[in-house]
Amino acid sequence: EAQVTQNPRYLITVTGKKLTVTCSQNMNHEYMSWYRQDPGLGLRQIYYSMNVEVTDKGDVPEGYKVSRKEKRNFPLILESPSPNQTSLYFCASSLSVSRAKPYFGPGTRLTVT
Amino acid sequence: QQPVQSPQAVILREGEDAVINCSSSKALYSVHWYRQKHGEAPVFLMILLKGGEQKGHEKISASFNEKKQQSSLYLTASQLSYSGTYFCGTEYYRRAGNNRKLIWGLGTSLAVNP
Repeated sequence: EAQVTQNPRYLITVTGKKLTVTCSQNMNHEYMSWYRQDPGLGLRQIYYSMNVEVTDKGDVPEGYKVSRKEKRNFPLILESPSPNQTSLYFCASSLSVSRAKPYFGPGTRLTVT
Repeated sequence: QQPVQSPQAVILREGEDAVINCSSSKALYSVHWYRQKHGEAPVFLMILLKGGEQKGHEKISASFNEKKQQSSLYLTASQLSYSGTYFCGTEYYRRAGNNRKLIWGLGTSLAVNP
């Protein structure tokens, strides 16, 4: 089954404790991205990757890092999480960067206290 | 650059129709429509790739008016399962080839009541 998986689905952590949210897709997609979703602000792109080893900032990259060492995986790293990073996070992948349907992961609800 | 969705919220009775608009200040390259239930991932409805295109998905259809830089989503004979937030995602024409990305509207909340 074609899918994007994210782990963990729910995470409560404390300020400053490094964490990684994993994202994996099994569709051989080139393009992957991370979004955060906050009430009233819609989906905002954090980082995206056009292919392996090529990543770039989205609209709200501050406080986040990513890596794309393999095609299927695109982890999101919070080196020193802060309460303003409490949000619902989605990973998405698509066949190409343009005019292609994004497949979304199930989401990760992160709370930073 | 963010597309503007209207209305912000709609309340319907089961069986009624609704139209959700997605307007842009720039020429659109493609328009994507998604529905999201609270706390869940957005679910793909359709993608429109060229002006004049119309598509349908069950009783949900959409049009893409390239000239008006707008897309509309039509929900007919609404069902309870249609409740959720509808988002449009837009791509814009750029001179450089590959640095496209989807920019999302803020969503339209739709509630269908019995």
